[in-house]
Amino acid sequence: GAVVSQHPSRVICKSGTSVKIECRSLDFQATTMFWYRQFPKKSLMLMATSNEGSKATYEQGVEKDKFLINHASLTLSTLTVTSAHPEDSSFYICSAPQGIYNSPLHFGNGTRLTVT
Amino acid sequence: EDKVVQSPLSLVVHEGDTVTLNCSYEVTNFRSLLWYKQEKKAPTFLFMLTSSGIEKKSGRLSSILDKKELFSILNITATQTGDSAIYLCAAGGSQGNLIFGKGTKLSVKP
Repeated sequence: GAVVSQHPSRVICKSGTSVKIECRSLDFQATTMFWYRQFPKKSLMLMATSNEGSKATYEQGVEKDKFLINHASLTLSTLTVTSAHPEDSSFYICSAPQGIYNSPLHFGNGTRLTVT
Repeated sequence: EDKVVQSPLSLVVHEGDTVTLNCSYEVTNFRSLLWYKQEKKAPTFLFMLTSSGIEKKSGRLSSILDKKELFSILNITATQTGDSAIYLCAAGGSQGNLIFGKGTKLSVKP
């Protein structure tokens, strides 16, 4: 079945550095991918929608200059957390629909980011 | 390899029916099991379960976890058309990661 691979699964970085997270659809093409952040209440907050070949659409309150999204191909989207701060420490998850919009989402396994 | 398996993959019922959604898991250093309702892009959190045998309830929805048999169920009673959605189950390990199942697509007909 459809698989979404997310890498790295865990990363620790120092304040001020940038971290790139990759999300790949392994056996299907994804023109759209979604990036989420998981908060302590375990709710998933949608950060942005990544669109292949065009700019990402950011949700209200998400800093686009801080969370850079690039969707370079039909199977790869990247999220770069720039100039990371401890408050950016969180769990980031990507997902991609296989097929038409509103079809079931396939989730990556997430990336645990810790900024020291 | 960690995995979460949900069944059935899809389900069609009529309003007023009761449904049970299943989720089995194999996750290293299991810590918690979560249920989400996905209607659009961002799943809505429903429940987090960490202890066996303790039912969590919210309105017509309830869920329980069996850590011995490694599964959880989500029950919805007196279903309504607004319950139509994809229900996701995710198991969390000690690393803080979440392993998602494929989801169960529930369609509630009037």
